[in-house]
Amino acid sequence: DTGVSQDPRHKITKRGQNVTFRCDPISEHNRLYWYRQTLGQGPEFLTYFQNEAQLEKSRLLSDRFSAERPKGSFSTLEIQRTEQGDSAMYLCASSTGRSYEQYFGPGTRLTVT
Amino acid sequence: DAKTTQPNSMESNEEEPVHLPCNHSTISGTDYIHWYRQLPSQGPEYVIHGLTSNVNNRMASLAIAEDRKSSTLILHRATLRDAAVYYCILLRYNFNKFYFGSGTKLNVKP
Repeated sequence: DTGVSQDPRHKITKRGQNVTFRCDPISEHNRLYWYRQTLGQGPEFLTYFQNEAQLEKSRLLSDRFSAERPKGSFSTLEIQRTEQGDSAMYLCASSTGRSYEQYFGPGTRLTVT
Repeated sequence: DAKTTQPNSMESNEEEPVHLPCNHSTISGTDYIHWYRQLPSQGPEYVIHGLTSNVNNRMASLAIAEDRKSSTLILHRATLRDAAVYYCILLRYNFNKFYFGSGTKLNVKP
């Protein structure tokens, strides 16, 4: 059981740059979720995929954010023209269709300077 | 989205039981009660979930009030490794997104 992996674990970028994060879910999991977590707060839902279809997006996901899951395997989350307010931990989780239990990765910590 | 209310922090002694409360007065009939915990520098991990009846697993027990407006996560013997933020979450049947609150930060004293 390799678990959910995320890459990179840490990213420091300058304001205005684009960044892309990758999430590899547990192999048999068809559902994939992205969350954002700021210091002292619980994770906030961003978006959800079932296989390759993006079924739901939060209002938090502005036009600068885009997520993909080609072929229903790994997923990427891109943030364009980063702002200091984007600094947060970005968490990925996956689950099967038979259980509501979500398995979370270790997260990618983004710092925008 | 149904809201949950939890104390900001709690403290426990090692080897003693811990009861973590959660209020969810606006719960609907199809909402499942989930508990996750987040250890420092890690993603959240599943602890337990239930609908109406009390539930037990190897990690914890979940006691659900008869009117379902509150629940309690019970750790039977707290260890230092149980120090974490515990989140109580309501998940509507067939919905997939969790709404985490701020959770309860549990401190376990040796």
